[in-house]
Parts: sequence; structure tokens; C-alpha cells
Amino acid sequence: AQRVTQPEKLLSVFKGAPVELKCNYSYSGSPELFWYVQYSRQRLQLLLRHISRESIKGFTADLNKGETSFHLKKPFAQEEDSAMYYCALSTQGAQKLVFGQGTRLTINP
Amino acid sequence: DVKVTQSSRYLVKRTGEKVFLECVQDMDHENMFWYRQDPGLGLRLIYFSYDVKMKEKGDIPEGYSVSREKKERFSLILESASTNQTSMYLCASSIGTSRGKQYFGPGTRLTVT
Repeated sequence: AQRVTQPEKLLSVFKGAPVELKCNYSYSGSPELFWYVQYSRQRLQLLLRHISRESIKGFTADLNKGETSFHLKKPFAQEEDSAMYYCALSTQGAQKLVFGQGTRLTINP
Repeated sequence: DVKVTQSSRYLVKRTGEKVFLECVQDMDHENMFWYRQDPGLGLRLIYFSYDVKMKEKGDIPEGYSVSREKKERFSLILESASTNQTSMYLCASSIGTSRGKQYFGPGTRLTVT
């Protein structure tokens, strides 16, 4: 079965420090990986997807098929990055997503 | 802008009651989903629907049923609410050909006492 693992439930860093949220997946086929974010009192929304290879709000994520990882990175954290982050996997031919457990990121001033 | 709305933000029900959670989307999306969101467990898929009157079980369908009579509306039904169904429930929708880009509603926090 497909699985997404986010090993850190909580992550706290200081403003201006680099951030890395870890995500590992298990799936033998060709996956699509996503990061979703939920800011306080807002709805869950898509942050970025690996096929777009884009940087959103300074965040990037690279799919590493060898390590089956899709870690989210930002070189300089900002206070507004504080939120709940979910990694998600879409399997081949499927419309549904498998989500990880989530990581609550707190940026300290 | 895609709008996904849920009928209630907060709901308190008693054990054994039948509970209806409603979700409406206004973008003619084919796919609709119901998740529950629990701390430490992430989002878990309860049911999804890829067309009117079509439904498929997700990872945790026990104790739930769904109804999709119209394309824009997807209802989650708790036949006999139990305390372990106290949770945040999220509805989402996506275009039929979309792989992974889902639009979420604001959520309904259900408390079963």
C-alpha cells in the first residue's frame, strides 16, 4: 500500500534560518508528490507540486526517487511561514491523494 | 476562484444521532472527497466520488456513508454518531483529469457527546 511519512510532528526554527520539512513515501510506480499548507484559520491549500518544479513563497521541493523523498526547503524562514504542512502522494491513474501525518512549523522571531 | 463550502463550521451531536455534513462546490468539478483530520494522523480519506451517484470507499469508511445526487453537492452521513467520530471533517473537490490538485472547504468541527 502507498504510504507517506512525515517524521517530524513539530518543527521550530528561528526567523532567517533555513527550513527543511521531511517527507518520505512508499510507492513502486510513478508518483506525483505535493505539499499542502494550512495557515491559522485558513483552509488547506496546495503549496507546490513536483511536476511544476516551481518555487512558491520561497519554498522548493525536489523529488528524489532513489531515496523516495520529497523534502520541502526554504533558505530563510519568515514568521508568516508558520503553519501546518502536509505532504501528499498521488499514484498513477488515481485522482485521490494519500496524505502524511503533517508537520507543524513554528517560526520564532 | 473555486469555492468549496461546508454547511456548518461547528456541530455538536449526541451519541446515536444521525448526522449530515453537506459540501457544495461551484466549479463543476467531477471529483469530490471527504476527509477527516486528526492531530498526529493527518488527513484520512473517508469516501470520494468521481461522478454523480458514483462513490468509492477511502481508507476509513466504517461508520460513514455518502450521497451524491447532484454534481455540485456531496454529503457525508454518520448513520449513528459515536464519540470516536469527533473530528474535523474536510471536503475537497478537483477537476476530473486533475491528479492531486484539490480545493478544500473550511472544515466542519464535529463533536459527539
